Amino acid sequence: QQPVQSPQAVILREGEDAVINCSSSKALYSVHWYRQKHGEAPVFLMILLKGGEQKGHEKISASFNEKKQQSSLYLTASQLSYSGTYFCGILTGNQFYFGTGTSLTVIP
Amino acid sequence: GAGVSQSPSNKVTEKGKDVELRCDPISGHTALYWYRQSLGQGLEFLIYFQGNSAPDKSGLPSDRFSAERTGGSVSTLTIQRTQQEDSAVYLCASSPGGANGDTQYFGPGTRLTVL
Repeated sequence: QQPVQSPQAVILREGEDAVINCSSSKALYSVHWYRQKHGEAPVFLMILLKGGEQKGHEKISASFNEKKQQSSLYLTASQLSYSGTYFCGILTGNQFYFGTGTSLTVIP
Repeated sequence: GAGVSQSPSNKVTEKGKDVELRCDPISGHTALYWYRQSLGQGLEFLIYFQGNSAPDKSGLPSDRFSAERTGGSVSTLTIQRTQQEDSAVYLCASSPGGANGDTQYFGPGTRLTVL
């Protein structure tokens, strides 16, 4: 039931763009995205609700395809501060599942 | 305002001992979650409390794990007869309401080491 993310890891140069995908075997009503830096707790980025609009946060935005049970996170003009592990998360019944994670490293 | 707090921040225990981990959610938040994160791994869901409703315990890894939430606020995660594989960071999060539309605010975690 854990969502699968791709790619598992990505290295970018500062200013480049990246896309992180999240796929679920369960019907999605909402998708959460979080970023976790090494040694720190996860930090919220955004939530996408079924039937809702694509939501953005500065140069980070996301989309939600209910039919395909997928969500994608778009990072444009990446900055060094974007480095970390990105997790999508879904609620299924009374359990919340985080995805497998994508490690993103931005280098100068 | 104050964020989610967890105590202790670090706990070292011997195999077979019981441990209690505490989570103080943000005041007024009705939802509370427990997760476990092993070194270099993702977040494993353990249990979710919504208001005063009985939680779904099926995410707990074994019957040695139990969790309570008293008065809809503070929560305690108890691990009995700890094993070395229980070593991990235990994270607590709270959100204002239902999980579908609400941000989860995470505490700093409790690092548990079982020797």
